[in-house]
Order: sequence, then C-alpha cells, then structure tokens
Amino acid sequence: ETGVTQSPTHLIKTRGQQVTLRCSSQSGHNTVSWYQQALGQGPQFIFQYYREEENGRGNFPPRFSGLQFPNYSSELNVNALELDDSALYLCASGQGTQETQYFGPGTRLLVL
Amino acid sequence: SQQGEEDPQALSIQEGENATMNCSYKTSINNLQWYRQNSGRGLVHLILIRSNEREKHSGRLRVTLDTSKKSSSLLITASRAADTASYFCATDGGAGDMRFGAGTRLTVKP
Repeated sequence: ETGVTQSPTHLIKTRGQQVTLRCSSQSGHNTVSWYQQALGQGPQFIFQYYREEENGRGNFPPRFSGLQFPNYSSELNVNALELDDSALYLCASGQGTQETQYFGPGTRLLVL
Repeated sequence: SQQGEEDPQALSIQEGENATMNCSYKTSINNLQWYRQNSGRGLVHLILIRSNEREKHSGRLRVTLDTSKKSSSLLITASRAADTASYFCATDGGAGDMRFGAGTRLTVKP
C-alpha cells in the first residue's frame, strides 16, 4: 500500500461528456502527477503539479486539465470525452524533486 | 512519447527459475526506475538506479545499468508465482515526468 488513493475505481461515460477523477496523495507529498495507460501500453505522462502549480505537461490536448489543492489532493478533468480516452488513469505522488513517485490503484474509464 | 522499450514483451518461466528483462532507452538520463504492475492496477516501485551506478540489488532483484549502451536489465532470482505481473522501466523525462516503456509481461508457473 502506497497511501495514494483514487476515486472512483471504475467509471463509464459517453462520448462528449465531461469527467472528474480524484486523487489523494500520500501524507507529506507535495507533488502529484497524472498518467494515462491504454490497454497493453505503458503509462503516458499527462501533467504534474507541485505546490498547486502545473510543473510540466505531456502531449495531451487542453481538454485535459487539473488542479492540486492546498491539502495536496488533486483532480484530473477531461472535457468532451472521446472513445480513445478509455484507459486506466493513474496518479502518483512524491516529495518535491525526489525521483520516486508512488502510484495509486487507478481509475478505469470507459467511454462509449 | 514512450522512452524505454522492454524486451521481451512476454516471458513465461517455471517457479524457481530466474527471470531477466531488458530495457533500452533513447536519451541521456539522470536515473532509471523499475516498476511492477499487477493485473492493470497501480504501479509498485521496485528499484531506482542512478546514472553513475552500474548495479543495484534489492532482495531477489538485481538491476544493472549501462549508460554507454543506453540499456538496463532487471533480474528476478528464484521466481515465485506471486512475481507474475507486468514490469516497466521508466526514465526521467526532464519535465517532472517519467517515461515508461510498454512493459514485459512475466508469467511464473507454479
């Protein structure tokens, strides 16, 4: 157990809808990253937040957005869902610039 | 984009045997990490090796790094059925991110 939790565990949406995924970081961690993992692939970096500011972004369109709150919990918002957004969404928390990140169990999103 | 490539894509061995997985990457790195993932769940951190290190051990795990060849290997000795999982290497992407390969799917038969 890493102490990182995510909700919900599973979610079904239809194309065009919006979704919010939540992550609660491990205690003491001030960095959170979000990854998208398609079936049979490795995780792809979406973005990272450090002390409530975006600290890096991968090759994802602006309809993927995020927030980090003062208690270091985080949200990933995806607007105008597309079928290809179906994936496992993972958040990972860490302490500052330390390299190791600790992953939550993920939210599996299905877009129909 | 993915940075590392694991080889082989899938590996099936008997309990008690050793399992070796390889990872190649493209750009210079500060460190390389190995993670395990069970059945599409969250990733579990196994080991981190820095660019100035050549070998690192943790229990039954042995990781090597060859920066001249841009490659790393993960050896699991005396494998157990519980080691059945997907294994990923990840390199630091320079923007706070980690870049993962597609993984090696290891099956350990009892």
